[in-house]
Amino acid sequence: GAGVSQSPRYKVAKRGQDVALRCDPISGHVSLFWYQQALGQGPEFLTYFQNEAQLDKSGLPSDRFFAERPEGSVSTLKIQRTQQEDSAVYLCASSLMSSAGRGDTIYFGEGSWLTVV
Amino acid sequence: DQQVKQNSPSLSVQEGRISILNCDYTNSMFDYFLWYKKYPAEGPTFLISISSIKDKNEDGRFTVFLNKSAKHLSLHIVPSQPGDSAVYFCAASLTGKLIFGQGTTLQVKP
Repeated sequence: GAGVSQSPRYKVAKRGQDVALRCDPISGHVSLFWYQQALGQGPEFLTYFQNEAQLDKSGLPSDRFFAERPEGSVSTLKIQRTQQEDSAVYLCASSLMSSAGRGDTIYFGEGSWLTVV
Repeated sequence: DQQVKQNSPSLSVQEGRISILNCDYTNSMFDYFLWYKKYPAEGPTFLISISSIKDKNEDGRFTVFLNKSAKHLSLHIVPSQPGDSAVYFCAASLTGKLIFGQGTTLQVKP
């Protein structure tokens, strides 16, 4: 596809359940970012990949959060033992550049809406 | 601590008038500042940016002003149109990632 694709678009998980969120970046894009956006807040940085290398995971809120991009294209964000405070929109973004740069080269997906009940 | 702040959660403007959205930041190491626009159920889309070495950047109806001494930037939309109604996020670039403000919901009334 032409843009960043995320699946599932909507996910309802029971507390304690594990979830996996998928991101298909724009073909050929080097950088991939995951952001978490809580209701009424701005996106907050979670982690950043350059190709398959995870260069920054400083934003992951706990060791229940894990992200991978094994072949340098598709990425998966996994949340283990979900809790209510994990309810948020998870945004994936990709860029042809090797970093966020000026920001104008970053393209966001529509997000995966996670609700933990 | 919030490094990028948008203190106005919402703004309502009449069509044709100017919309001014404000943003404050704390970290003087930011190298680029950006504005993103977000419609419901969509991801943010890039609107306009400014380098930290500039004080103004203009693109059509959109102008961003940067006041480094005050650590403040603003987005001006002139003239405002109903299609501009959306959530606007201010963001700053640091070490390869973006740090976002909380967003301001702009409503442009016909």
